[in-house]
Amino acid sequence: GIQVEQSPPDLILQEGANSTLRCNFSDSVNNLQWFHQNPWGQLINLFYIPSGTKQNGRLSATTVATERYSLLYISSSQTTDSGVYFCALANFGNEKLTFGTGTRLTIIP
Amino acid sequence: ETGVTQSPTHLIKTRGQQVTLRCSSQSGHNTVSWYQQALGQGPQFIFQYYREEENGRGNFPPRFSGLQFPNYSSELNVNALELDDSALYLCASSLVFGLGQTYEQYFGPGTRLTVT
Repeated sequence: GIQVEQSPPDLILQEGANSTLRCNFSDSVNNLQWFHQNPWGQLINLFYIPSGTKQNGRLSATTVATERYSLLYISSSQTTDSGVYFCALANFGNEKLTFGTGTRLTIIP
Repeated sequence: ETGVTQSPTHLIKTRGQQVTLRCSSQSGHNTVSWYQQALGQGPQFIFQYYREEENGRGNFPPRFSGLQFPNYSSELNVNALELDDSALYLCASSLVFGLGQTYEQYFGPGTRLTVT
């Protein structure tokens, strides 16, 4: 099956800092999503981005499908950004999302 | 628009018992997928239901089974519970126009199951 690797595993930043989270994958994909899991376990959709670039407020994401990676950018971090960030993807004809191991982001006031 | 809902929120069961978890899909969605998330790990795919039929299954034994109803809600049943079944169970719904098409999945808040 498809392999998904996220880096870094942990990231601790001061409020106001910027960060880049990376997701590498082993095969072509037709579905790639970024999620933020809050402390209560809820997975919040950030981006649906099998290719290209999208922006939503302080967050943006880029997927370069030909090079098999995706990046999530968080600018001007706030304490509410703390939590675990997952990328999850699926390839053609595959109904399941395969999740990476996540990046745990901690924003310090 | 109503989001994905799950019940119950928390559940404590004894090893060997059976449990049923419920999921209501987001309004307008026709497909439900179930995932298991053990502590400190990413969610793992259990199975998906499309048009009331199982459409794909992960590496889970047959004691994990499910149903999808005509209103697209779904149940996950687990028989003969084991201690390792303790986890957060997440369901996700999506709108699928045809098998093999790409689609975005939206997750519910989860059911936290503890097996003692």
